[in-house]
Amino acid sequence: AQTVTQSQPEMSVQEAETVTLSCTYDTSESNYYLFWYKQPPSRQMILVIRQEAYKQQNATENRFSVNFQKAAKSFSLKISDSQLGDTAMYFCVFGNEKLTFGTGTRLTIIP
Amino acid sequence: GAVVSQHPSWVICKSGTSVKIECRSLDFQATTMFWYRQFPKQSLMLMATSNEGSKATYEQGVEKDKFLINHASLTLSTLTVTSAHPEDSSFYICSARYPGVISTIYFGEGSWLTVV
Repeated sequence: AQTVTQSQPEMSVQEAETVTLSCTYDTSESNYYLFWYKQPPSRQMILVIRQEAYKQQNATENRFSVNFQKAAKSFSLKISDSQLGDTAMYFCVFGNEKLTFGTGTRLTIIP
Repeated sequence: GAVVSQHPSWVICKSGTSVKIECRSLDFQATTMFWYRQFPKQSLMLMATSNEGSKATYEQGVEKDKFLINHASLTLSTLTVTSAHPEDSSFYICSARYPGVISTIYFGEGSWLTVV
């Protein structure tokens, strides 16, 4: 079974600053995906970024980028130029046949 | 883009009654759907995997007789909470996998269940 660990229950950062959310996981699988999902107060799950484990290149999506270290089983999310709308719960997620969610990091962007 | 719709968004039921939550994929056929439960300020816990035309696969510790899952068509999966009790009150979320793309999963808006 897979496990996903997010060691930062809460974080806050000033608007326009950069913040990094940490995530580690454990698996014996060789083929899998990793995701960061965002859950704002509306509770709708929103995909932030996706990384294929077989790709060495780190995924980027506009202000969002990841640092994927496969050997270390680490998958951190960097948010650049943070905006008020980035305030949400962020989940690191391991995916193969099904998704395994981390415990989440509540991120607050301070005006 | 692809959308998954969940209904109802919120429901209140009396203890001992049953309640059904629907999850629909609106513009694609989903052979696999998933049901999650989320307690306040906690993560999503996978309850079961719903496969069209076959029995759902439940996660360990989830009572299959209490949480009935039916995936009768390629666009609809239902979760029925039978003989609901206050401890079943929670936020329930479904998701659907885009056909042929294991990494593409869309989430419904979620359903708040309150059992009184």
